[in-house]
Amino acid sequence: AQTVTQSQPEMSVQEAETVTLSCTYDTSESDYYLFWYKQPPSRQMILVIRQEAYKQQNATENRFSVNFQKAAKSFSLKISDSQLGDAAMYFCAYKASGTYKYIFGTGTRLKVLA
Amino acid sequence: NAGVTQTPKFQVLKTGQSMTLQCAQDMNHNSMYWYRQDPGMGLRLIYYSASEGTTDKGEVPNGYNVSRLNKREFSLRLESAAPSQTSVYFCASNGQSYNEQFFGPGTRLTVL
Repeated sequence: AQTVTQSQPEMSVQEAETVTLSCTYDTSESDYYLFWYKQPPSRQMILVIRQEAYKQQNATENRFSVNFQKAAKSFSLKISDSQLGDAAMYFCAYKASGTYKYIFGTGTRLKVLA
Repeated sequence: NAGVTQTPKFQVLKTGQSMTLQCAQDMNHNSMYWYRQDPGMGLRLIYYSASEGTTDKGEVPNGYNVSRLNKREFSLRLESAAPSQTSVYFCASNGQSYNEQFFGPGTRLTVL
């Protein structure tokens, strides 16, 4: 069965610094999608970034980028120039291509220190 | 374009009471989902509907029923609420083009 593991329950970063959140997953599939979602105190789940497994190039969205290591089954999120508004829970998620189920990690709470 | 909407936002029930959580999306998505979120456990899938007219169990379906009323609406029913069902419930949908899910604002349910 596919699993997603986020081994850091909580992380802290100084404002304007860079932080990396870790995510590993287990699958026997070769074609799949990986996602990072942000959940601020408002509770709304917001897509941060998406990666297709068949793409070797790491996805980037402004200050957010991923380090996708397919062989190692690792999908970390790097946040550059951290801002107070980045404080939130971050969830890593996996979906195999051609299926309907998404598997979520248990989340990492990110604190941004002023 | 409201995206995914859920009602109610908050609800308190007594053990044994029933209620239905409503969810609607206006993005013409085929697939819809119900999750529950508990501290330290991430999001767990309760039920999903791959397309109108179909529903399937997820990871934690016991104590819940669902109805895919039409392409837009997917409801979650608790027939006899239990304290273990105290949680935050999210509805989500996704189309086939982008694969990412779009979430509703969530319902915080407390069962006393």
